[in-house]
Amino acid sequence: DTAVSQTPKYLVTQMGNDKSIKCEQNLGHDTMYWYKQDSKKFLKIMFSYNNKELIINETVPNRFSPKSPDKAHLNLHINSLELGDSAVYFCASSQNTGNTEAFFGQGTRLTVV
Amino acid sequence: AQTVTQSQPEMSVQEAETVTLSCTYDTSESDYYLFWYKQPPSRQMILVIRQEAYKQQNATENRFSVNFQKAAKSFSLKISDSQLGDAAMYFCAYSLTGTASKLTFGTGTRLQVTL
Repeated sequence: DTAVSQTPKYLVTQMGNDKSIKCEQNLGHDTMYWYKQDSKKFLKIMFSYNNKELIINETVPNRFSPKSPDKAHLNLHINSLELGDSAVYFCASSQNTGNTEAFFGQGTRLTVV
Repeated sequence: AQTVTQSQPEMSVQEAETVTLSCTYDTSESDYYLFWYKQPPSRQMILVIRQEAYKQQNATENRFSVNFQKAAKSFSLKISDSQLGDAAMYFCAYSLTGTASKLTFGTGTRLQVTL
């Protein structure tokens, strides 16, 4: 029943490691997003994909690489993790139409130690 | 660039009372969408209400309503008959229309509901 699901919910890892967060949506939406919420709760877009094509890349370090194998999946791979990468990462999806209502996953809390 | 400002970091309301959360935004576009999202302690982002800029009528969803003032670029959220379950962070957000439009969020308002 889950519309947008992310795994894992929590991720604790050491600096320098490489990790991935997976996201899947079963809403039939064409567009998927990654947002980052920092320690002050500020939410900011990182990437958006439309039908597996990268549409938005908001000056995110190239250590972050999104991958969309199909339009229902958008994974986020992070290389060489840094302390400053600690945050909650949200996946979201929306229809490829003007209403742009976004449905969010439950978030992945990443802690880099 | 579009910006969204929420000037109230925290608000408090008594149960059953009414509270209004403020939001202003800056854009040069005429066609866009505005949203209020709720984030309870569970972390889930939940859409509360949505307003299309071309509609003059203010959106309403049960106890939640907005006061949309397009000329003033203001979009406040009114919560009537507040309930304990309304306690959460509330984010105002803006989006252009069109393909894969991103949400631009304000900094959020933490709402406390007291007995």
